[in-house]
Amino acid sequence: AQSVAQPEDQVNVAEGNPLTVKCTYSVSGNPYLFWYVQYPNRGLQFLLKYITGDNLVKGSYGFEAEFNKSQTSFHLKKPSALVSDSALYFCAVRELSSNTGKLIFGQGTTLQVKP
Amino acid sequence: DAGVIQSPRHEVTEMGQEVTLRCKPISGHNSLFWYRQTMMRGLELLIYFNNNVPIDDSGMPEDRFSAKMPNASFSTLKIQPSEPRDSAVYFCASSPLMNTEAFFGQGTRLTVV
Repeated sequence: AQSVAQPEDQVNVAEGNPLTVKCTYSVSGNPYLFWYVQYPNRGLQFLLKYITGDNLVKGSYGFEAEFNKSQTSFHLKKPSALVSDSALYFCAVRELSSNTGKLIFGQGTTLQVKP
Repeated sequence: DAGVIQSPRHEVTEMGQEVTLRCKPISGHNSLFWYRQTMMRGLELLIYFNNNVPIDDSGMPEDRFSAKMPNASFSTLKIQPSEPRDSAVYFCASSPLMNTEAFFGQGTRLTVV
């Protein structure tokens, strides 16, 4: 069965510093990986995805993520954090080997960017 | 398109009452998901439809929960009878294809007292 793990409940960084939010996954077939962000009292907003191709994918608001097949990871990164990046971040995976396309989310990581 | 539309945005009900949450997916999307979000359990997938057919309902907590998708533009999640532990934010999401991202509604905050 597919699964996603976000090992950190919270990540704290200073504004202007680089940030990394970690994600590892487990699927039996080809993974389709996603990052979402959730601001308080809002729905989830799509940030970026890896379907195929380059291992480094770029998304909204200056975020990027690196797909690493050997480590089964898909970490979210940003070179310079902003206070406004503070939010709850979710990693997600879709697996198509069973032809169902079920979309599973990790537990979420709270990112706190301090001025 | 207006995005995924959920109603109501907030629902407060008494224990034992029936609750129906509604979702209108984005036009043309083939997949629809219902999720529940709580502090303790995070974001749980309850049920997943593809082309209006339930594909996986293994996340539905118990028989009190049921979901339907009578057509491509409407889905409901029903809880009968409701219990205080059902209090959560319920999200609906849709996607056009099985290998693409899903788009989320704003959610329904359910409080069962």
